[in-house]
Amino acid sequence: AQSVSQHNHHVILSEAASLELGCNYSYGGTVNLFWYVQYPGQHLQLLLKYFSGDPLVKGIKGFEAEFIKSKFSFNLRKPSVQWSDTAEYFCAVNAVPNTGNQFYFGTGTSLTVIP
Amino acid sequence: EAQVTQNPRYLITVTGKKLTVTCSQNMNHEYMSWYRQDPGLGLRQIYYSMNVEVTDKGDVPEGYKVSRKEKRNFPLILESPSPNQTSLYFCASRDSYYGYTFGSGTRLTVV
Repeated sequence: AQSVSQHNHHVILSEAASLELGCNYSYGGTVNLFWYVQYPGQHLQLLLKYFSGDPLVKGIKGFEAEFIKSKFSFNLRKPSVQWSDTAEYFCAVNAVPNTGNQFYFGTGTSLTVIP
Repeated sequence: EAQVTQNPRYLITVTGKKLTVTCSQNMNHEYMSWYRQDPGLGLRQIYYSMNVEVTDKGDVPEGYKVSRKEKRNFPLILESPSPNQTSLYFCASRDSYYGYTFGSGTRLTVV
């Protein structure tokens, strides 16, 4: 069965530290890839997405992610985190084309940034 | 503005009293889903719909009903709520190629 794995359940970093959150998926076909962020008490918002082309995608607030097809991975990175990055981060995969319910979320990674 | 609108944002109810959480999207999306979010369990899909009058169960459909009579609306119905349905609920919509847009969430407490 298709799935999305986020290996880090809870990450704690100090401000200015670098961040990398892992995401691996299992799906043999073409995919679109997403990272969503959920700030405390809020809904999920799109952070960045990959559809095709340059495997290094840049999103909002200095986040970026790299798609490595051979590793079925889409890791999220940020060179220097801020206290305001404290949030839950979800990786997601969308089969292309998606004519059914082939949209899968990871279980999320909780990031706490200590001032 | 493209958005998914859920109501209410907060709801406290008693066991067994039927309730409906409304969801509406203005993006003409075919696909809509309901998720519940619980601490440590991530997002779990309750029901989804691929178009008008086409709905199917997700991972945790027990105790819930949905309907899709119009493309823009996808209400979630709890016929007889129980305390284990206390949760944060999100409605979301998408088209065939792009990711979900989420509503603001409904925090439901069943006492």
